[in-house]
Amino acid sequence: NAGVTQTPKFRILKIGQSMTLQCAQDMNHNYMYWYRQDPGMGLKLIYYSVGAGITDKGEVPNGYNVSRSTTEDFPLRLELAAPSQTSVYFCASSTPRSSNQPQHFGDGTRLSIL
Amino acid sequence: QQPVQSPQAVILREGEDAVINCSSSKALYSVHWYRQKHGEAPVFLMILLKGGEQKGHEKISASFNEKKQQSSLYLTASQLSYSGTYFCGTEPQGAQKLVFGQGTRLTINP
Repeated sequence: NAGVTQTPKFRILKIGQSMTLQCAQDMNHNYMYWYRQDPGMGLKLIYYSVGAGITDKGEVPNGYNVSRSTTEDFPLRLELAAPSQTSVYFCASSTPRSSNQPQHFGDGTRLSIL
Repeated sequence: QQPVQSPQAVILREGEDAVINCSSSKALYSVHWYRQKHGEAPVFLMILLKGGEQKGHEKISASFNEKKQQSSLYLTASQLSYSGTYFCGTEPQGAQKLVFGQGTRLTINP
């Protein structure tokens, strides 16, 4: 099993550019999450989804958009990149909370906005 | 609201013990513990559910005090491989997401 796969692994953007961070999981997990992690800091939830067609905001959603058209994929869209969005982005997935299972993380996307 | 971890950093010699604490101001359903090494993704350690249970994973164990909404992670006879940053993720009752603490950086020296 590949688990949670994030692409790209690294990216440099110019201010004002747009891009989509891809996340795919092959574990048939209903729940998926996007986090950002600034240097030396903890994980901040951007958006999450409890199933296809259902998304909700996390702690820091401004400047980002998501969609969930399939169970497997949960892309994160940056419309107008700003230097404050320089960070490491992690995607995670899990089964519903009732099964008390952990979140499985992808390897991350390291994004720099210059 | 973000849980508070303490200490923020700790330095040990190999073989010493450590305790990392995680406190929340909200009633919790569960607490998750993860370890992250530099440049890598967080790796799951264990989940504590409300009910005050204590769990173990090799020489790493944890407890959850439901009344105080606090969890503690215990590392016994630390090994060099235990170095990294430890995060607690708290799941408030009724929520479907985790809120992570700011992390505790653990350094194990020979």
